[in-house]
Amino acid sequence: AQSVTQPDIHITVSEGASLELRCNYSYGATPYLFWYVQSPGQGLQLLLKYFSGDTLVQGIKGFEAEFKRSQSSFNLRKPSVHWSDAAEYFCAVGAGNNDMRFGAGTRLTVKP
Amino acid sequence: DAGVIQSPRHEVTEMGQEVTLRCKPISGHDYLFWYRQTMMRGLELLIYFNNNVPIDDSGMPEDRFSAKMPNASFSTLKIQPSEPRDSAVYFCASRSGYSNQPQHFGDGTRLSIL
Repeated sequence: AQSVTQPDIHITVSEGASLELRCNYSYGATPYLFWYVQSPGQGLQLLLKYFSGDTLVQGIKGFEAEFKRSQSSFNLRKPSVHWSDAAEYFCAVGAGNNDMRFGAGTRLTVKP
Repeated sequence: DAGVIQSPRHEVTEMGQEVTLRCKPISGHDYLFWYRQTMMRGLELLIYFNNNVPIDDSGMPEDRFSAKMPNASFSTLKIQPSEPRDSAVYFCASRSGYSNQPQHFGDGTRLSIL
């Protein structure tokens, strides 16, 4: 079965600084990869997804992620963080068996 | 378009009581998922349905938990009897088509068992 690891539990960045959230997956074939964001008291909102094609995918709110097969990674990036980006971010990996696995999440704090 | 709708948003009840959580998926979606989120265990898949039929309930923690989907627009997750360790946020999500498509989440039900 597939699995996903988010090595960073909590990250703090200054507003305007760049951001990279790490995600590593384990799966024998090409996985389906997703990033979600969760604001307090809300459900998970899809930021972006990858399942084939261009390995650099663009999402909503200015986020992007790059699939690197050689590193089994799907890191999320944003060039300039806004205070409203403070939230919890989840990486997820899916496969043809309908089993989607979520990482433990990375909590992002944005300093003014 | 309306997203996934869950009710109630908050539920506080005493141990031993029956709890029923409700979910209305996005119209046209043929998959429905129930998750539980806690600080200790993160996001756990409890059960999922395809075309109203339960496909995998291996994540349901105990026989106290049951889920139904009587039609394409409604599902329930029931806990009877409830225990304090069931306190968590329960999410419903729905999806259309193959597993390369994203799941769409509701805002969750925050359940507190006293």
